[in-house]
Amino acid sequence: ETGVTQSPTHLIKTRGQQVTLRCSSQSGHNTVSWYQQALGQGPQFIFQYYREEENGRGNFPPRFSGLQFPNYSSELNVNALELDDSALYLCASSSGTLASNTGELFFGEGSRLTVL
Amino acid sequence: GQNIDQPTEMTATEGAIVQINCTYQTSGFNGLFWYQQHAGEAPTFLSYNVLDGLEEKGRFSSFLSRSKGYSYLLLKELQMKDSASYLCAVRGYSNSGYALNFGKGTSLLVTP
Repeated sequence: ETGVTQSPTHLIKTRGQQVTLRCSSQSGHNTVSWYQQALGQGPQFIFQYYREEENGRGNFPPRFSGLQFPNYSSELNVNALELDDSALYLCASSSGTLASNTGELFFGEGSRLTVL
Repeated sequence: GQNIDQPTEMTATEGAIVQINCTYQTSGFNGLFWYQQHAGEAPTFLSYNVLDGLEEKGRFSSFLSRSKGYSYLLLKELQMKDSASYLCAVRGYSNSGYALNFGKGTSLLVTP
């Protein structure tokens, strides 16, 4: 067990709604990154937060947004949900930034979102 | 942008050796990683290469050639528990900052 916890574990939304997913990072980690993993695919990088600021972003539209709090926990918000947003959303924490660490991310178990 | 290719599926026998290849194209290369993901579980870190050459860690080894945009993960003395998806991930830099991008994964089945 990595110490990274995510909530909720499963949720169902309808198209057009908004969703907030939460992540508590492992103790001592100041960086959180979010990934979207569709069934049978690899995780796709959404963005990374380091010390409460976004410092890296993948090819996701602005309706995907996030926050990192002073205790380094994080939220992923998705507005105007679409059917293709159905996926497993993974949060990963690490110490240092993507640029400076050796890439050992500690993943949570994920939040599985279904959009109907 | 980044393009990461790895085989979709592989099958190998318990006790054997298997090599999973990964080719990539990226801007601002800053490291290549391998992760293991069992079905229904989160990915776990296996290895990291930033310089050319072979990194060995127990039964697992990873190789990188930056000039060829190529890496492989070598698994020795395969065990049934090694059946999982193996994800190649490349860290690169763009005007959006650093990003760690994953390939689609190679599903490895170890048979008795």
